[in-house]
Amino acid sequence: GAGVSQSPSNKVTEKGKDVELRCDPISGHTALYWYRQSLGQGLEFLIYFQGNSAPDKSGLPSDRFSAERTGGSVSTLTIQRTQQEDSAVYLCASSQFQGAALEAFFGQGTRLTVV
Amino acid sequence: AQTVTQSQPEMSVQEAETVTLSCTYDTSESDYYLFWYKQPPSRQMILVIRQEAYKQQNATENRFSVNFQKAAKSFSLKISDSQLGDAAMYFCALTGANSKLTFGKGITLSVRP
Repeated sequence: GAGVSQSPSNKVTEKGKDVELRCDPISGHTALYWYRQSLGQGLEFLIYFQGNSAPDKSGLPSDRFSAERTGGSVSTLTIQRTQQEDSAVYLCASSQFQGAALEAFFGQGTRLTVV
Repeated sequence: AQTVTQSQPEMSVQEAETVTLSCTYDTSESDYYLFWYKQPPSRQMILVIRQEAYKQQNATENRFSVNFQKAAKSFSLKISDSQLGDAAMYFCALTGANSKLTFGKGITLSVRP
């Protein structure tokens, strides 16, 4: 596609439910990042993929969070048993390959609201 | 480990004036890259300017330029002839050869007409 696509744009879920957030990176981009941005705050790193592997998962806040990437393309971030503190905008970015001064392109994010 | 610090939470500038946004960083890598991203209310992060650490010359993109002080680990963004459309959050970011893209907490820039 022309840009990084994230779906859904907005998600309201009840506390305790599981949610899946999807990211379609730009075709050919091997590096993919997930960030979380709480209201008015900076970007908190969650996880980074190079191809299908995740060399850095250090930002996942708890074992309720997991992510996978298949075919070196689409990635899914799953949050199990959602809590109100999970409410945030989840941003995905991709770049052509890691380890270069290449621009990371961002999607418009998924705004998750846990009620 | 790498860190990016933006100590000013917000700034304001008069339209057509110049403003400088500050950023300091720390990294143990010798090969790294620095970026400034803009995030308007639409949430779309947009790359404003990028600097390769091995280059001594400061990067420039139209009204945007940086002051890269490698020894001081400082990377400030100067916006000249500020426009109303420049109002947004601005994030400083750093990536190394084998590490993730790390962002600062951001600064909210408002532009007064």
